[in-house]
Amino acid sequence: DAGVIQSPRHEVTEMGQEVTLRCKPISGHDYLFWYRQTMMRGLELLIYFNNNVPIDDSGMPEDRFSAKMPNASFSTLKIQPSEPRDSAVYFCASSRGLANRGYQYFGAGTRLSVL
Amino acid sequence: DQQVKQNSPSLSVQEGRISILNCDYTNSMFDYFLWYKKYPAEGPTFLISISSIKDKNEDGRFTVFLNKSAKHLSLHIVPSQPGDSAVYFCAASGNQFYFGTGTSLTVIP
Repeated sequence: DAGVIQSPRHEVTEMGQEVTLRCKPISGHDYLFWYRQTMMRGLELLIYFNNNVPIDDSGMPEDRFSAKMPNASFSTLKIQPSEPRDSAVYFCASSRGLANRGYQYFGAGTRLSVL
Repeated sequence: DQQVKQNSPSLSVQEGRISILNCDYTNSMFDYFLWYKKYPAEGPTFLISISSIKDKNEDGRFTVFLNKSAKHLSLHIVPSQPGDSAVYFCAASGNQFYFGTGTSLTVIP
């Protein structure tokens, strides 16, 4: 398997613009997670899905952030409008069951810069 | 509020010596703990884990120790190798999942 695939790898945008990050999880995995990495807070869990259904979005910082999983092989994280403080690396991860207790496979991340 | 803390942002160790990375947590309901390793421009990869019913788990050069009374876990790498140079994240799992802020380990040849 190719692993978790994220696109784009890098995104540079201007404040106020809409940003969409994409993720393809590993085939057969039923959990999908979105994380944000910053120096100050490390890896923060934003939201996770089980069988395409959002289970916990309590980590989503503001209403400007939204995530969808229209099918088992695709998820998006959208920021609208973007702000400079959203600049971070965003990771997507997937796992087969939560019973594996966080044995998650991560994508390479999307480095977002909002100017 | 950080529920999982790694108070040392960086650590340097000589090749062949022991590396000890520390992690503290606040929630006694966490029942599973993990360490992930991250190289630049890559996502974190799972390294080793431990259940709260144990106090030690070993996998080759890597050993994780859990002290529940102190709410503390540590990762020992013996012997350290230059390829171990990376950022190490500890994580804790209960009803939710939390990562620490990471410790950057540099192993000096």
